[in-house]
Amino acid sequence: AQKITQTQPGMFVQEKEAVTLDCTYDTSDPSYGLFWYKQPSSGEMIFLIYQGSYDQQNATEGRYSLNFQKARKSANLVISASQLGDSAMYFCAMTLGSSNTGKLIFGQGTTLQVKP
Amino acid sequence: GAGVSQSPSNKVTEKGKDVELRCDPISGHTALYWYRQSLGQGLEFLIYFQGNSAPDKSGLPSDRFSAERTGGSVSTLTIQRTQQEDSAVYLCASSLQGTSNTEAFFGQGTRLTVV
Repeated sequence: AQKITQTQPGMFVQEKEAVTLDCTYDTSDPSYGLFWYKQPSSGEMIFLIYQGSYDQQNATEGRYSLNFQKARKSANLVISASQLGDSAMYFCAMTLGSSNTGKLIFGQGTTLQVKP
Repeated sequence: GAGVSQSPSNKVTEKGKDVELRCDPISGHTALYWYRQSLGQGLEFLIYFQGNSAPDKSGLPSDRFSAERTGGSVSTLTIQRTQQEDSAVYLCASSLQGTSNTEAFFGQGTRLTVV
């Protein structure tokens, strides 16, 4: 069965430091997409970064990078130079190429708090 | 507006009543999704619309839940005979193509409380 696991319910990081949020996934589908979304307290889901299963290089978007380790089935999000505005809930999610519908399978999320 | 719009933002209803939640996707997006987020939890897929194809209803939790999408644009999620366990935030998303490598854009959600 397809599943996303985020093992860190909550994380703290000091402002300006880097932080890694863990995500592991389980699928037998050779083609899949991995996404990270940010959900501030206001509730909206904000897309951060995408990694395709066949992408050779790790995805990067500004201060966000995705540490993709295919053999380990992990897709950790790295946030560099944390800012107070990064305090939010972060969700890892997966889509499957076999269905190619864009339906997202979400993990339980990690709450990140950035300390000044 | 440019984003996905959902209404109402908050809804309190009595147990047993029917509710309708509305989603207005980004113009030109062919795919539309409904998700449910219970308190402090991840999102659970409910239903997916793609163009004129039959919707994927595989995530609907019971036959009290239904949804339609009129004219390939606005969607309504209806919950009949609401129960307390239906209390959650209902999020709508749309994407340009609805493929596995296309990002989805989410609305602000409707917070439903059944009392």
